[in-house]
Amino acid sequence: AQSVTQLDSQVPVFEEAPVELRCNYSSSVSVYLFWYVQYPNQGLQLLLKYLSGSTLVKGINGFEAEFNKSQTSFHLRKPSVHISDTAEYFCAVLNRDDKIIFGKGTRLHILP
Amino acid sequence: EAQVTQNPRYLITVTGKKLTVTCSQNMNHEYMSWYRQDPGLGLRQIYYSMNVEVTDKGDVPEGYKVSRKEKRNFPLILESPSPNQTSLYFCASTLASSYNEQFFGPGTRLTVL
Repeated sequence: AQSVTQLDSQVPVFEEAPVELRCNYSSSVSVYLFWYVQYPNQGLQLLLKYLSGSTLVKGINGFEAEFNKSQTSFHLRKPSVHISDTAEYFCAVLNRDDKIIFGKGTRLHILP
Repeated sequence: EAQVTQNPRYLITVTGKKLTVTCSQNMNHEYMSWYRQDPGLGLRQIYYSMNVEVTDKGDVPEGYKVSRKEKRNFPLILESPSPNQTSLYFCASTLASSYNEQFFGPGTRLTVL
């Protein structure tokens, strides 16, 4: 069964520093991967998704993620974070039953 | 504006008192879902619907009911709420398949005393 592991529950980072949020998946079939962001007191919204093609996926707000099949990873990165990036980030995978499975989330704390 | 709306946004109730959380989308989406979000557990799917009159259980359906009489509406019903259903609930909708973007409502924070 497909599953998603977000290794860090919280990540503190200084403003304007780079950040990487880690996500590993387990899947034995074609992989569709997503990153969603949840800003405080809001619902989730899609940051980016990988369905096929280029392994480097660019999303909104300057985020990007790289699909690495050999390491079964889909880490999210941003070269310079802003205070407005404070949020919880969820990695997700689509399973063979066409259902989306979410990770447990990573809280990104931006330090001034 | 394309959106998913939920009502109420906040609700405090007592054990056993039936309640309904409404969800409506204006994007003509076929697929709708309900999730609950709990600290340390992420999002877990309660029920989903692939079209009108078609609903199915998600990962944590116990204690919940849903209906899909119209395409735009997907209410979540708690017939006899219990304290372990205290949670943050999200409705989401998407086009026919889950590999399309899911659009989430703003959430309903439910407390069952």
